[in-house]
Amino acid sequence: KAGVTQTPRYLIKTRGQQVTLSCSPISGHRSVSWYQQTPGQGLQFLFEYFSETQRNKGNFPGRFSGRQFSNSRSEMNVSTLELGDSALYLCASRSEVNTQYFGPGTRLTVL
Amino acid sequence: EDKVVQSPLSLVVHEGDTVTLNCSYEVTNFRSLLWYKQEKKAPTFLFMLTSSGIEKKSGRLSSILDKKELFSILNITATQTGDSAVYLCAVVNGGSNYKLTFGKGTLLTVNP
Repeated sequence: KAGVTQTPRYLIKTRGQQVTLSCSPISGHRSVSWYQQTPGQGLQFLFEYFSETQRNKGNFPGRFSGRQFSNSRSEMNVSTLELGDSALYLCASRSEVNTQYFGPGTRLTVL
Repeated sequence: EDKVVQSPLSLVVHEGDTVTLNCSYEVTNFRSLLWYKQEKKAPTFLFMLTSSGIEKKSGRLSSILDKKELFSILNITATQTGDSAVYLCAVVNGGSNYKLTFGKGTLLTVNP
């Protein structure tokens, strides 16, 4: 089975812009979660989608949003980018036995 | 709020040493505890623990959970330089929704 894929792998944006990241889960996995990883804060949960519905949300401002499509692919959007949004954004898909598998991540740099 | 604390934050050992990494947690509705290894890329899954006292083992790595004292340990025997990585512990809050809370990780450096 192919693993979790994320595109793009690297992004450079400037403050005030918006960005959309994409994630394709492992085939058959219906749950997709998003995380932000920074050196200072570690891995922080953003949100989880299951069958196109957001089931859980972390403590992030409304500038961070997401969606899931009927094929389980998910996108995450960050609007009005700030310098502090520079991070590795990880997507993970979850199996029926609740094991999460991570994608390679998208490294976002905000200048 | 769910909380995961890992210790030590960093550790430097020599090849062949045995290390023990610690993870303590507070979670309102415990479902499981997960260990991951992260090198210069995304975390890779190591173990999922749901029951107390049952050791999970994979090669030189093993892990066990104590649900009464709310902690888990990850042991690595006969360490190799390839074990150098950040080891992450996460707990799953199984409430009405699935939510993972991660610790800050332990940075393990294995010197030849």
